[in-house]
Amino acid sequence: DAKTTQPPSMDCAEGRAANLPCNHSTISGNEYVYWYRQIHSQGPQYIIHGLKNNETNEMASLIITEDRKSSTLILPHATLRDTAVYYCIVSRATSGTYKYIFGTGTRLKVLA
Amino acid sequence: NAGVTQTPKFQVLKTGQSMTLQCAQDMNHNSMYWYRQDPGMGLRLIYYSASEGTTDKGEVPNGYNVSRLNKREFSLRLESAAPSQTSVYFCASSRDRDSTEAFFGQGTRLTVV
Repeated sequence: DAKTTQPPSMDCAEGRAANLPCNHSTISGNEYVYWYRQIHSQGPQYIIHGLKNNETNEMASLIITEDRKSSTLILPHATLRDTAVYYCIVSRATSGTYKYIFGTGTRLKVLA
Repeated sequence: NAGVTQTPKFQVLKTGQSMTLQCAQDMNHNSMYWYRQDPGMGLRLIYYSASEGTTDKGEVPNGYNVSRLNKREFSLRLESAAPSQTSVYFCASSRDRDSTEAFFGQGTRLTVV
């Protein structure tokens, strides 16, 4: 499975867009990019995922570079409740399932 | 729907004791997973199961056993607990077949003294 690299921490002003980068330079063609977040010590929560194309849902947007070696998660209008650890994961089907290997993530602090 | 339910929520064990962490999902998912999370760190995959009757090792399987009892339930057993197994344990499930998200339980906080 491809390894991901994320900055350990970031700050963002409330109401501004939060842009969280992720490098996955060894990603292979059939591997998806997933983003999860973990608020306090709760179970991780799914945000978004994609393969090649940019994706958007009600929570966030995912921008994947054309060479697929990096991606950016965008929270368009960050709120205090978005303060969390954000994990970028690269995963592909293996042994009949998808195996999700977490890194250390980016601790995002949204400032009032 | 309850989603993914883990029991117990908290547990204190003495070194050498055994216990089983229970996990059940009501979403008819095929795949289930067990993770552990140590303070200040990300989640590490212990074992996973692609379907009923199959299990595979993850990143840190030593000291653990698992059972996929049926499609709903996936248990994690510590045969002889050690202080190094003090952690928060998360169970997750996903539908699979195509790329889909994983749903996580709220965790079991285990302390081994």
